[in-house]
Parts: sequence; C-alpha cells; structure tokens
Amino acid sequence: LAKTTQPISMDSYEGQEVNITCSHNNIATNDYITWYQQFPSQGPRFIIQGYKTKVTNEVASLFIPADRKSSTLSLPRVSLSDTAVYYCLVGDGYSGAGSYQLTFGKGTKLSVIP
Amino acid sequence: ETGVTQTPRHLVMGMTNKKSLKCEQHLGHNAMYWYKQSAKKPLELMFVYNFKEQTENNSVPSRFSPECPNSSHLFLHLHTLQPEDSALYLCASSQDPDRGTNYGYTFGSGTRLTVV
Repeated sequence: LAKTTQPISMDSYEGQEVNITCSHNNIATNDYITWYQQFPSQGPRFIIQGYKTKVTNEVASLFIPADRKSSTLSLPRVSLSDTAVYYCLVGDGYSGAGSYQLTFGKGTKLSVIP
Repeated sequence: ETGVTQTPRHLVMGMTNKKSLKCEQHLGHNAMYWYKQSAKKPLELMFVYNFKEQTENNSVPSRFSPECPNSSHLFLHLHTLQPEDSALYLCASSQDPDRGTNYGYTFGSGTRLTVV
C-alpha cells in the first residue's frame, strides 16, 4: 500500500474552510484515495473517496491533481463538531471476497476553535 | 448507530480474568475485522475474517482469541491480559463493493478496555 504523509495537527476557527493535504508519491494506478474521520473513543467513519479530479458530497470535497501524488480534503465552514482526527488512506487494500487490509497512519488532528 | 454494534462499551478486567468482546453487524457484510487502537498510536489490524474463515492474524499474542461463528457475529476472547493491552478495540465489517463507490470499513464504536 502506498505510504501517505499528512500534517499531524491543524487549527481552524469556526466558519472557515479547512483544507488538509495528503501526499502519496507512490500511489499505484489502481489505488483509490479515501478519507476517514474519527472522534474520540469512536470508530473511524468514511467521509469521501476519489480516484482523480474532484469529488463532492454533502460533507466534504476531495481534490486530486492530475499526477495523483497528493490529494486535498476540503471541509467547508467547519463547526466545533468537526474537531476530530482525519485519516488519508491510499490503495484499495482489497484482498478478495470483500476483505480489505486498510492501513491507517497517525492522521491529522483538526481542532476547531470558537 | 453505524450498523456495527460492539458490546460492552467499557470493560475493566484484572490480569487473571477471562472476558469476551462481542461485535454484531446488521449490514449483510461478509468480512469482519478486529483493530486495536492504543493511545497516540495508529490503528493496528489484529484479525480478518472472510465468510467466517480467518484469513489474517497479524502476529497477535495468543492471549487474544477471535471467534466468528457466522458472518454477522465476531468475538474476541481475552485471557491473562497485560496492562499494556489496555486500548480501544474496534470491530469493522466490509462487503465486496462496486469500484468507485463507498468501500472499505464500517466501524463500530469500540470497546474501551482497561487491564488492571
């Protein structure tokens, strides 16, 4: 699986747009880019997934440049409840029959300030 | 609720005790997982089950014993644990998806385990 690098922590004020960038220089042709969100003492939750260009859902946007060596998770107008750890994962880790081998890094701890 | 339910949410046990963690998924998924999350460490994959068959054991000590009686239930049996085993234990499930759609894991809320 491709290794990812993302900032350890970020601070933002409420109402601002937050962009978290993840580097994945060794991404393979078949790899997808997926972001998870984790609140304290809870399991990670899927946010968004993309392969190239831009993907948007009701929670976030994901920007992927043409070379796919990085990606940026964009959270519009964050609130205090967006304070969490955000993980960038690259690769499908697919082992067949619905089984995955997803490897989580340390993630980015986002703190939203009133 | 994510569709993956873990019980208990909190557990305190002595080093000589035997206890079990339970995970149940109502999503029709066919693969289930145990992850361990220690303080200030990344999530560590412990066990993987596909269609009730264990396909992965990431060098986990034998004091952790998984059991998967069917594709909806997963247990983690604990015995003679050490204080360093205190952590958040997370269960997850997944299903063979179409590429390009939501894939990967649906996690439960975890069991916070404290070994004293």
